[in-house]
Amino acid sequence: DIVMTQSPDSLAVSLGERATINCKSSQSVLYSSNNKNYLAWYQQKAGQPPRLLIYWASTRESGVPDRFSGSGSGTDFTLTIDSLQAEDVAVYSCQQYYTTPPAFGQGTKVEIK
Amino acid sequence: EVHLVESGGDLVQPGGSLRLSCAASGFSFSSYAMAWVRQAPGKELEWVSAINANGGATYYADSVKGRFSISRDNSRNTLYLQMNGLRAEDRAIYHCAKQNEHQLPLFDRWGRGTLVTVSS
Repeated sequence: DIVMTQSPDSLAVSLGERATINCKSSQSVLYSSNNKNYLAWYQQKAGQPPRLLIYWASTRESGVPDRFSGSGSGTDFTLTIDSLQAEDVAVYSCQQYYTTPPAFGQGTKVEIK
Repeated sequence: EVHLVESGGDLVQPGGSLRLSCAASGFSFSSYAMAWVRQAPGKELEWVSAINANGGATYYADSVKGRFSISRDNSRNTLYLQMNGLRAEDRAIYHCAKQNEHQLPLFDRWGRGTLVTVSS
């Protein structure tokens, strides 16, 4: 099974500053036949279900603000939140959907400094 | 608008059984694979089970294989999870989740979840 590991576990960022979250998979999630990375990012606010933010490692889901961006390939990925807003306080999780079982990272808690 | 509403969570003794339901609306339920994903307190999201659009194929995490059974009733737009032989480690919020249009285990809509507690 693929194991997803995120870093850091938590971070505090000032309003308007950038937040960067890393995600590493134990094996590549890049499918060579279509050159797509089977990697997604979710946002989960307190008391709410997860919300899909990004899939294919860098494609924003409809309605997601463009301050959220994803990058990376193979085994190393990054979620960047440019100009952090108060409403971005949440836990962010990566997920691989390359193989079954799909697996999630342990989550990164983003707070306001 | 897509709505997924789970129900059936409860406090149950170890070894007991529960059946969770997920009522879906706002999309063509019979066209999409569906899944259950759980989250224990303070832990990461854990995929539990999935079922394809017509119910003909099911998939399970090793941790629940042989104890849990997923099913769906497309005429009622409802997803189910039959949970038998419950253990303390099954305690979690159970979310139902809609998979994307490519039938990949990529979850584009989630319900708020229903809480399952296993304790004597």
